[in-house]
Amino acid sequence: SYVLTQPPSVSVAPGQTARITCGGNNIGSKSVHWYQQKPGQAPVLVVYDDSDRPSGIPERFSGSNSGNTATLTISRVEAGDEADYYCQVWDSSSDHSWVFGGGTKLTVL
Amino acid sequence: QVTLKESGPVLVKPTETLTLTCTVSGFSLSNARMGVSWIRQPPGKALEWLAHIFSNDEKSYSTSLKSRLTISKDTSKSQVVLTMTNMDPVDTATYYCARSIIEIAARPISWFDPWGQGTLVTVSS
Repeated sequence: SYVLTQPPSVSVAPGQTARITCGGNNIGSKSVHWYQQKPGQAPVLVVYDDSDRPSGIPERFSGSNSGNTATLTISRVEAGDEADYYCQVWDSSSDHSWVFGGGTKLTVL
Repeated sequence: QVTLKESGPVLVKPTETLTLTCTVSGFSLSNARMGVSWIRQPPGKALEWLAHIFSNDEKSYSTSLKSRLTISKDTSKSQVVLTMTNMDPVDTATYYCARSIIEIAARPISWFDPWGQGTLVTVSS
């Protein structure tokens, strides 16, 4: 089965740029989606199809995907961005399975 | 406005069968571009996809849990039901249902939006 690898934690100071990576074999050939999950809340979609933003998500959230790494970039980080972030792909071959990364805890210093 | 809401027992005993219901509103379970998945999250751990049902009633299951899971839907009631047999304490988790958006263009893609609030299920005797 397909495996997505994320760093357990990323720390950044307010106003700086946070980059959260998601590694997978030839992930650049797949469509990657990102979710934000704050404590005690359900996940919320922040980026879909590598780099598109749902309505209501700030432009500070952006994504890219190439080769073996997809990246979620959060510009001008705010205290309210502190959360867990998960990447996800859909393996539509064979049995159709949805795969999540292990999650990254973003800490705003 | 699209919403999903999970319901079911908060406590089950080991070896029992868990039955969870997801009631949706704001979209139809017969919409070809949409489906519903169940996803769980043990306390302090990562998200784990469990099962999915497509609009045409096709079903997909996590390979590791396939033997224990059954997903079904009642389109007229706007409900999706998940059953998981032989529950164990390691199955203690928050269980979410989420709408999937499916697009088959240059490459097949699918993401989840929105999610239900989740329901915490504890497995203990």
